[in-house]
Amino acid sequence: KQEVTQIPAALSVPEGENLVLNCSFTDSAIYNLQWFRQDPGKGLTSLLLIQSSQREQTSGRLNASLDKSSGRSTLYIAASQPGDSATYLCAVDYGGATNKLIFGTGTLLAVQP
Amino acid sequence: ETGVTQTPRHLVMGMTNKKSLKCEQHLGHNAMYWYKQSAKKPLELMFVYSLEERVENNSVPSRFSPECPNSSHLFLHLHTLQPEDSALYLCASSHETGTANTGELFFGEGSRLTVL
Repeated sequence: KQEVTQIPAALSVPEGENLVLNCSFTDSAIYNLQWFRQDPGKGLTSLLLIQSSQREQTSGRLNASLDKSSGRSTLYIAASQPGDSATYLCAVDYGGATNKLIFGTGTLLAVQP
Repeated sequence: ETGVTQTPRHLVMGMTNKKSLKCEQHLGHNAMYWYKQSAKKPLELMFVYSLEERVENNSVPSRFSPECPNSSHLFLHLHTLQPEDSALYLCASSHETGTANTGELFFGEGSRLTVL
């Protein structure tokens, strides 16, 4: 069964700290992996998309890595800010005719000022 | 602004009501999706439309009925719902279709549904 797990479920850090969010998946035959941000009561905003042939992607203070062989991805946030507080979700795309993404349950991040 | 617009943002309905959720995308994408997000659970894929044809129905109860009249619009018709159907319903779109990978997924703000 294809499953995606995110650890930790919640994380609280002081402003300015660098942090890492983890995502693991059981089936390594992926097309790509996406990281999303979700603010309370809102939809999901795409942060980074890593294709299966890539090792990492960067956007501003965010860096996402992908290790298919170990079934892991990490989202690194540098110099965290209170505005980074949100739920971060990873989703794994296994492709196929149904265009299906498998989502993790997310990590709730709180950055304290 | 993601280019995917959902209405209404909030909906309260009784178990015998009929209502519809609407989604519109302005991105020129080929595929549109309905997801259900319940508290403490991962997002659940409900329906996928590719080029206006339904390609996936994840064993969703018939009280949820999707409609995709064209590649820019997607509806979710609701009828005789149960209280456990209360959730955030998210619409999304992507460029890729068929056997290609999904590509980057763009979500709307969601419709918060409460069934009394």
